Amino acid sequence: GQNIDQPTEMTATEGAIVQINCTYQTSGFNGLFWYQQHAGEAPTFLSYNVLDGLEEKGRFSSFLSRSKGYSYLLLKELQMKDSASYLCAFLKAGNNRKLIWGLGTSLAVNP
Amino acid sequence: DGGITQSPKYLFRKEGQNVTLSCEQNLNHDAMYWYRQDPGQGLRLIYYSQIVNDFQKGDIAEGYSVSREKKESFPLTVTSAQKNPTAFYLCASSAGARGKNIQYFGAGTRLSVL
Repeated sequence: GQNIDQPTEMTATEGAIVQINCTYQTSGFNGLFWYQQHAGEAPTFLSYNVLDGLEEKGRFSSFLSRSKGYSYLLLKELQMKDSASYLCAFLKAGNNRKLIWGLGTSLAVNP
Repeated sequence: DGGITQSPKYLFRKEGQNVTLSCEQNLNHDAMYWYRQDPGQGLRLIYYSQIVNDFQKGDIAEGYSVSREKKESFPLTVTSAQKNPTAFYLCASSAGARGKNIQYFGAGTRLSVL
């Protein structure tokens, strides 16, 4: 089968660094995605990893280990506007190009 | 500006009524998707289409119908058979097989039952 898991909630302090973990199980894998979703809004794309390693994009970085079925999103220099839900999703291999979504991690950034 | 447009932003449905949610994209994307999101829940796939004139059921297709007559448009009808339609509906599109399948979302439609 396929499964994806991430923590439900996290809290952090403004200016700090936070790491949001995501683990997945699947028989076929074609990439790992992270999205940000502010309350009441649509998800917006943050990052994509298909090979092992770290992808850095400004204050946000995403890491993937395919052998461990593990990814994390690293947010540096946290700002209040980073308070949002962070969704992890993987793309199944095959013709049906569907994303399998986690339930999201709600991050609260406190002053 | 390229993007995905969903309308209306808010929609109210009466008992026994069918309603249609609009989704239009001008990104020249092949694939389009409809998701439903309930409070505190993840995204659940209703229907998706990888090419014009073709679509597949997602995980929760019962009570919904779609069409894909044009590349730019993928309307979703919530039928009277859907007994619990109140939710946030999100449409997305991606380049599909031509790309990484990064999905880009419209602003969403909030559907409530009167």
